[in-house]
Amino acid sequence: GQNIDQPTEMTATEGAIVQINCTYQTSGFNGLFWYQQHAGEAPTFLSYNVLDGLEEKGRFSSFLSRSKGYSYLLLKELQMKDSASYLCAVRDRGNTGKLIFGQGTTLQVKP
Amino acid sequence: KAGVTQTPRYLIKTRGQQVTLSCSPISGHRSVSWYQQTPGQGLQFLFEYFSETQRNKGNFPGRFSGRQFSNSRSEMNVSTLELGDSALYLCASNSGTSGLQETQYFGPGTRLLVL
Repeated sequence: GQNIDQPTEMTATEGAIVQINCTYQTSGFNGLFWYQQHAGEAPTFLSYNVLDGLEEKGRFSSFLSRSKGYSYLLLKELQMKDSASYLCAVRDRGNTGKLIFGQGTTLQVKP
Repeated sequence: KAGVTQTPRYLIKTRGQQVTLSCSPISGHRSVSWYQQTPGQGLQFLFEYFSETQRNKGNFPGRFSGRQFSNSRSEMNVSTLELGDSALYLCASNSGTSGLQETQYFGPGTRLLVL
């Protein structure tokens, strides 16, 4: 079956670091995506991992371990505007257009 | 490059009606995927079109259908609308190749309310 798990909610303080975890069990794997979605808006692309290891992009980093079916998104120097839902998605093997999404993690950044 | 565009942005329909939503992918992208997002179920894959052919399909009833035109623009249709079809419908595009670096970009979505 297809299963992607993320924590439902997280709270962090402005300026801090937060790590959002994602575990997956899917029949195929062709990369893992992280998207950010503000309330009432469409998801925007944050990062993509297809090989094991850490990908860094400014204040955002994403890690992947394919053997463990595990990924995390690391947000540094949190800002109030980072309050949003963070979606973990796995691309199905051989199907570039099909992403399987987790339920999303709602992050609230407090002053 | 212009991003993914979707029309209309908002729509109100009544049960039993049908609706057609439109999506124009990023220029040069040949793959268009459709997703339904609801508070209870999250983001769920509907189908993908590539070069005017449905390449993949999710687990939705036959009331949900789509098509793609030669210019890569895509439409999805929902017939005999039900209250549960109220959702944000998102379209996403990518180039459609099998490259490992393929990234999928979302449009702004169409918010459908069924009364």
